[in-house]
Amino acid sequence: DAKTTQPTSMDCAEGRAANLPCNHSTISGNEYVYWYRQIHSQGPQYIIHGLKNNETNEMASLIITEDRKSSTLILPHATLRDTAVYYCIVRPRNSGNTPLVFGKGTRLSVIA
Amino acid sequence: EAQVTQNPRYLITVTGKKLTVTCSQNMNHEYMSWYRQDPGLGLRQIYYSMNVEVTDKGDVPEGYKVSRKEKRNFPLILESPSPNQTSLYFCASRQREGSQPQHFGDGTRLSIL
Repeated sequence: DAKTTQPTSMDCAEGRAANLPCNHSTISGNEYVYWYRQIHSQGPQYIIHGLKNNETNEMASLIITEDRKSSTLILPHATLRDTAVYYCIVRPRNSGNTPLVFGKGTRLSVIA
Repeated sequence: EAQVTQNPRYLITVTGKKLTVTCSQNMNHEYMSWYRQDPGLGLRQIYYSMNVEVTDKGDVPEGYKVSRKEKRNFPLILESPSPNQTSLYFCASRQREGSQPQHFGDGTRLSIL
């Protein structure tokens, strides 16, 4: 799987948009970008994924650059409950059994 | 509500006393797996199952067993638990198609004394 690079930590004011960047400069054409988060000691929670087009769901938006070498996860109105570690993961479409590899992620702190 | 349910959520037990952690999903997913999470080591896969009666070892299978007799259930069995199996365990499931995301349970914190 392609390697990803994320900032170690970020702060965001409550009610503001949280923009979490991820670099994946070695991504290949059949690899998707996934975002998960883990709130302290809870199970990882799937947020969103995409291949090359921008995606939006009820939780977040995913913006993928045209060259696909980086992406940004956007939480439009961050709340205190969004405080978590966010993981950007790149995986090929036909990954079979290959386990998810969670790197160190970005620790997002939402501040009141 | 679509979910992966693990039980128990917490367990303290002693070395050598067999235990089973249950995992059940209601999404009709073919693929299920077990991970353990330890500080500084991230999530590591223990076992996985591609479908009923099909299971295989992940990265850290020693000391664990699994079974997949029904599509919805994937129990993790520790026949003779040891202190180095003290950890936070997660069950996950997804549809067979590889690009689909995994859905995780809330975790089981095991302490083996």
